[in-house]
Amino acid sequence: AQKITQTQPGMFVQEKEAVTLDCTYDTSDPSYGLFWYKQPSSGEMIFLIYQGSYDQQNATEGRYSLNFQKARKSANLVISASQLGDSAMYFCAMREGLEGGATNKLIFGTGTLLAVQP
Amino acid sequence: GAVVSQHPSRVICKSGTSVKIECRSLDFQATTMFWYRQFPKKSLMLMATSNEGSKATYEQGVEKDKFLINHASLTLSTLTVTSAHPEDSSFYICSANLLWSGYNEQFFGPGTRLTVL
Repeated sequence: AQKITQTQPGMFVQEKEAVTLDCTYDTSDPSYGLFWYKQPSSGEMIFLIYQGSYDQQNATEGRYSLNFQKARKSANLVISASQLGDSAMYFCAMREGLEGGATNKLIFGTGTLLAVQP
Repeated sequence: GAVVSQHPSRVICKSGTSVKIECRSLDFQATTMFWYRQFPKKSLMLMATSNEGSKATYEQGVEKDKFLINHASLTLSTLTVTSAHPEDSSFYICSANLLWSGYNEQFFGPGTRLTVL
């Protein structure tokens, strides 16, 4: 079964508008972490934002915010005021297990290709 | 801080040869590093967890004799693709684990594009 599901293979957004990239996850572990990464065409993976399963508030980092709906097992990324440089592949990822545990394996979704239009 | 480098960034080799890819944490020590491969327009698939001073832990379906991993120091892990074949052509990305702002975070290298002819 898919542990991380990104149902949008591609998205268009107009410059300066907000966009939501969907991510749902599946785990029976009460402790987990959720990550979003950006991968431009150059290939590097750029960390954007993190949400812990016990965090009470939604994570925010500048123009990025994570809409964490624990009961629905969703962790959507919201990018506000889109810029042309936001055009890239976006991956949602999950780490299962306790924070600081010996294993910190990340499971990645299939990604969403975001294209920002001028 | 928390920079990870990979070398080479791009390599083309003949079928049957071996290729070594290096992953270095430049400004921190990493007891754990991870190796991923990514096919075009696909997600990152974890190949193995590289542990300093001990054997790597391979994911199911990854041939340990094909993909040799050595984590000889706290700042260097190497992946050697032995007897490479065209189907091994892929984008290989490493990451290094660091406790950062209270949680474990993986910092990724820029990747190595391997083409086997």
